[in-house]
Amino acid sequence: EAQVTQNPRYLITVTGKKLTVTCSQNMNHEYMSWYRQDPGLGLRQIYYSMNVEVTDKGDVPEGYKVSRKEKRNFPLILESPSPNQTSLYFCASSFGDRASPLHFGNGTRLTVT
Amino acid sequence: SQQGEEDPQALSIQEGENATMNCSYKTSINNLQWYRQNSGRGLVHLILIRSNEREKHSGRLRVTLDTSKKSSSLLITASRAADTASYFCIKRSQGGSEKLVFGKGTKLTVNP
Repeated sequence: EAQVTQNPRYLITVTGKKLTVTCSQNMNHEYMSWYRQDPGLGLRQIYYSMNVEVTDKGDVPEGYKVSRKEKRNFPLILESPSPNQTSLYFCASSFGDRASPLHFGNGTRLTVT
Repeated sequence: SQQGEEDPQALSIQEGENATMNCSYKTSINNLQWYRQNSGRGLVHLILIRSNEREKHSGRLRVTLDTSKKSSSLLITASRAADTASYFCIKRSQGGSEKLVFGKGTKLTVNP
């Protein structure tokens, strides 16, 4: 089944403890991206990647890192999480063609205390 | 960035009625896409309309695009309770940055 898989689904952590949220897609998509969704603010793009080893900042990249060593994986890294990073996170992917639809994962609800 | 802004922010209707939501944007596009999000879940692609198209249908969905006004509308006909969700639009450009910005969406409630 074609899908974008995010893990974990829920995560509670403490300030400063490094964490990684994984994202994997099995559709051979070139484009992958991360978003956070907060009440009243909609979805905001954190980082995106046009292909392997090519990443770029979205609108809210501060406090996050990403890597794209393989085409299928695009992990989101929080080196030192803070409470303002408590949010619902989504990974999405698509083919590089701009007419391709985005496929979203089911989300990761992160709480930083 | 390629921004879509939806309105209204919230819409409440009765089952069987039609729901219309709008999306405006600022710069030229290659295509515009509509997505649905059920509460707390990932977004699901609904329909795509290209810049050279004016109207497109998919089941009970009808999308129009007016490039002169830089706006699009999504019409859901004969709505059902299961259509209750938030709806987002996003436009994708021909080239350049793929820094995508979603609007805040339209929250649709269909009452049984």
